[in-house]
Formats: sequence, C-alpha cells, structure tokens
Amino acid sequence: EAGVAQSPRYKIIEKRQSVAFWCNPISGHATLYWYQQILGQGPKLLIQFQNNGVVDDSQLPKDRFSAERLKGVDSTLKIQPAKLEDSAVYLCASSSGDSKNIQYFGAGTRLSVL
Amino acid sequence: GDSVTQMEGPVTLSEEAFLTINCTYTATGYPSLFWYVQYPGEGLQLLLKATKADDKGSNKGFEATYRKETTSFHLEKGSVQVSDSAVYFCALSHPPYNNDMRFGAGTRLTVKP
Repeated sequence: EAGVAQSPRYKIIEKRQSVAFWCNPISGHATLYWYQQILGQGPKLLIQFQNNGVVDDSQLPKDRFSAERLKGVDSTLKIQPAKLEDSAVYLCASSSGDSKNIQYFGAGTRLSVL
Repeated sequence: GDSVTQMEGPVTLSEEAFLTINCTYTATGYPSLFWYVQYPGEGLQLLLKATKADDKGSNKGFEATYRKETTSFHLEKGSVQVSDSAVYFCALSHPPYNNDMRFGAGTRLTVKP
C-alpha cells in the first residue's frame, strides 16, 4: 500500500514570496490533515479535511495560509506572502476517518524562509 | 484545552540500556493515546496506541500503559538498540468526534554502541 506522498521535500524562498505544497493521501482515506512542525516542537494542526470539506481550520493563519482539497483526494497548502516564522516542516497526514483514528504521515516538506 | 507534556531531551543511552520516556496529559473525557516515532528525514510513524484506561500498547519491544489515575502514558523498552535512535512523540486525540491530534514537543533519543 502506497503511503502519503508529499512534494517538494525541500523549499527555500525569500520572505514575502509565495509557496505551495502538495499532498496525495493514502488511497481511500477520507480525512486529510496539514500540520506545521517548527524545529524542536511537536506538530501543530493547521487544517483538517473530511473528503473535500473543511472540518477544522481554527489554527490556520488565514491572512496568509490557504488550503484546498479538490475532488476529495489531493490537497495543496499555500503560503502567500511567507514570513520568516513560517520556516518549518509541513506534514500531511491521512486517515480512514473511522473511530481508530490512525493517522499516516508523509515525509514532509521542509520550508526555509530567508 | 487538551495538552501533552513529555520529558525533555535529549536522552542518550548505551545499547541494551533500559528506556523510559515520560508522558503526561491533560484532557477532558477519555482520549486515545499514541506514541509516534520520527526517524531522521522521515515522517512520523505510529509506534503504539491505547484507547482506554489500563490498556497496554506494544510494538517492536516498546510498551506503554494508559494510566488514567496518573494521566500518564510512559514509553518503555527493556533493551534499546542503535536503530532506535529517533525522536519520539506522545499524542492524544478524541475520536471519532474530534480527530485533532495533540502532540507533545518530542524527545530525541540517541543510542550509542
């Protein structure tokens, strides 16, 4: 079974530029999550999708971050404009949405904002 | 709100030593508890989980017991290997109504031969 795929693996941009990350979840997984993991901290949920609808985006900085999950499969996370404090690893995870809630994580995209 | 507190690292052990990484939580109701492991350059992998009080999760020689009376879920392994070197995260969630996973800050483990 293929895992959660993310791209790119690394991205370096200058502040005020825009950037986008892509995630392809495990086939058949209805729930998709984006997390931000700042160096030395645990992952923090940014947004959760159930199929193509948003379940929770309470911690997403909506003035600069946006995310979509068209057709309930792939998802993109965008930052525009980026700030220095956005430097982090962005993790995508998916789960089947059942009561066990086992989340499967991708390898992440490491973003450096200079 | 819900939160998880882990012992601060880094933890450095010799091969075959006993490992304990402490984890305590604050939550309403009866959360599910998890340990995830992150190897260098990789995403998080589920190591073990427990869904109710007194449950013991186990995998790859690691164990953790859900202790509601002490709100703890400490990770243990009797004999660590160099290959266990990684960052370990304790986490909780409340399925099926709220799948938002709350993670601790992580504990980096280094095992020396």
